[in-house]
Amino acid sequence: DAGVIQSPRHEVTEMGQEVTLRCKPISGHNSLFWYRQTMMRGLELLIYFNNNVPIDDSGMPEDRFSAKMPNASFSTLKIQPSEPRDSAVYFCASSSMGLALEQYFGPGTRLTVT
Amino acid sequence: SQKIEQNSEALNIQEGKTATLTCNYTNYSPAYLQWYRQDPGRGPVFLLLIRENEKEKRKERLKVTFDTTLKQSLFHITASQPADSATYLCALDSRRLYSGGYQKVTFGTGTKLQVIP
Repeated sequence: DAGVIQSPRHEVTEMGQEVTLRCKPISGHNSLFWYRQTMMRGLELLIYFNNNVPIDDSGMPEDRFSAKMPNASFSTLKIQPSEPRDSAVYFCASSSMGLALEQYFGPGTRLTVT
Repeated sequence: SQKIEQNSEALNIQEGKTATLTCNYTNYSPAYLQWYRQDPGRGPVFLLLIRENEKEKRKERLKVTFDTTLKQSLFHITASQPADSATYLCALDSRRLYSGGYQKVTFGTGTKLQVIP
């Protein structure tokens, strides 16, 4: 298996632009997580899907952030409009265990908003 | 409020020695505690999971202890090697159960380990 796939790996955009991050989980995994990592705040859970259904989106910072999982093999995280404070590394992770254990992380997308 | 504490200062250790990293928590009663490794520019990698009713877990040169009374987990790497240099994160579940029994896992900020040849 190729592991969790994320694209793009790097994204540089200007403030106000829309950003879409993509994730393909490991085949057969039924839980998917989006995280944001910064030096100041560490790894923060943004949203958690199970069987394509959002279970917890309390970590989504504000309405500018939205996430979808239209099927078991694809998820997107969208930021619109983007702001400089959104600059971070965004990770997608998947798990075959519904209790959010043994998560497999993708390589991350480094987002820079200027 | 719930809090996870890992030593934010880097841990430098001589090759061959045992590295010990600490994860302390407050206002949690986790059923599971996990340890992950993260290398620069990469996503975390799962290493070990220990359950609340387990005192100790081993995997090759790795050993994890879990003391629910002290609210602490220790992560040991024996015979450390330069290749063990990385940031190590602990993760706890919150026991908050969503519909269907799903639990939320929260990560600590990690401790950077540097093994010196």
